[in-house]
Amino acid sequence: GQNIDQPTEMTATEGAIVQINCTYQTSGFNGLFWYQQHAGEAPTFLSYNVLDGLEEKGRFSSFLSRSKGYSYLLLKELQMKDSASYLCAGMDSNYQLIWGAGTKLIIKP
Amino acid sequence: IAGITQAPTSQILAAGRRMTLRCTQDMRHNAMYWYRQDLGLGLRLIHYSNTAGTTGKGEVPDGYSVSRANTDDFPLTLASAVPSQTSVYFCASSESAGGAKNIQYFGAGTRLSVL
Repeated sequence: GQNIDQPTEMTATEGAIVQINCTYQTSGFNGLFWYQQHAGEAPTFLSYNVLDGLEEKGRFSSFLSRSKGYSYLLLKELQMKDSASYLCAGMDSNYQLIWGAGTKLIIKP
Repeated sequence: IAGITQAPTSQILAAGRRMTLRCTQDMRHNAMYWYRQDLGLGLRLIHYSNTAGTTGKGEVPDGYSVSRANTDDFPLTLASAVPSQTSVYFCASSESAGGAKNIQYFGAGTRLSVL
């Protein structure tokens, strides 16, 4: 079966660094997406990885290891506005996204 | 540019009633999707359309139907609503279905309660 696992909730301090992990099992693999979703709002795209390694985009970076079925999202210099849920999604062989339940990130001052 | 627009924003519906959720995009994207989001679960795909004139079933299609008469519009119909269809419904679109072109852009969602 297809499955995406990520922690339900994490807490971090403003200004710190946090790493949100995601493991995936998909039928075929065509890439890994990360989205941000603030409470009551729509998901918004953060990153897409299809090759192994780290992709950096400002304060956010995303890493992929295809051999381990593993990805993480790294958030640096945390700001209060980063309080949100972070959704991991794997794209399967049919190009459909399989979504994790999301990690709720709580930022404390 | 509006992007992707959903209507209504929220709705309370009596069980057994028919309801159509509307979705329109102005990005000329080929692919469109309908998801439902329930607490504690990931987004689940209901139906999708890779291009105008074609549709496909997702993970949870039962009780729902869609049509894609043109590029811009992708309505979702609940033929006879049941309480288990209470959820937040998101419409999304992407340039196409494959690779990086499958970056999906979401509407603001429709919050539906079936009583």
